[in-house]
Amino acid sequence: GAVVSQHPSRVICKSGTSVKIECRSLDFQATTMFWYRQFPKKSLMLMATSNEGSKATYEQGVEKDKFLINHASLTLSTLTVTSAHPEDSSFYICSATSVTGVPYPEQYFGPGTRLTVT
Amino acid sequence: EDQVTQSPEALRLQEGESSSLNCSYTVSGLRGLFWYRQDPGKGPEFLFTLYSAGEEKEKERLKATLTKKESFLHITAPKPEDSATYLCAACPNAGGTSYGKLTFGQGTILTVHP
Repeated sequence: GAVVSQHPSRVICKSGTSVKIECRSLDFQATTMFWYRQFPKKSLMLMATSNEGSKATYEQGVEKDKFLINHASLTLSTLTVTSAHPEDSSFYICSATSVTGVPYPEQYFGPGTRLTVT
Repeated sequence: EDQVTQSPEALRLQEGESSSLNCSYTVSGLRGLFWYRQDPGKGPEFLFTLYSAGEEKEKERLKATLTKKESFLHITAPKPEDSATYLCAACPNAGGTSYGKLTFGQGTILTVHP
């Protein structure tokens, strides 16, 4: 149980284009999803917290107009990197949790998306 | 400010050589302390949650323990397949926009040689 998927697993895009990453909770309803970014050999850096049906809360220093987050349903959150640049290249990971259904506040992580901007 | 520090940064063991990883935390009230395993290029895999000092949990060769300031991940007779980065994270007893947020340590890279 508590499976989270991400799509795509890898994406290469050209500078200036936008990329959408999907995060789905497959066997539970996720009231809250988190988006992280991870640099090589570094720990996870929280970018934003999204609660179903409300606006995401961004961490300090994260541009909300650049990283658009939508949590439209209890099983799906999306992260759109707008006007991507090479410095946005990174490993993006989502996690999901729920106030019901899974032991709260355990977070279950997706497999990650490797974004490369050329 | 909430803080989680893991040590050592890297640990190299021979197969069968038991050891422990340390996670020190400073949070404003602990809701839960989590251990994850992360393989290269993958998302973290959930291992344990500990909620109160004195609690212990085991899974195969791994045992996690918790005190009021630290958590330890004990690895007994490790095998090469236990090689991974082990991440510790603390969830503070906070409300509002901090509800459910995890503060991660920097991880311990474990390498087990055959």
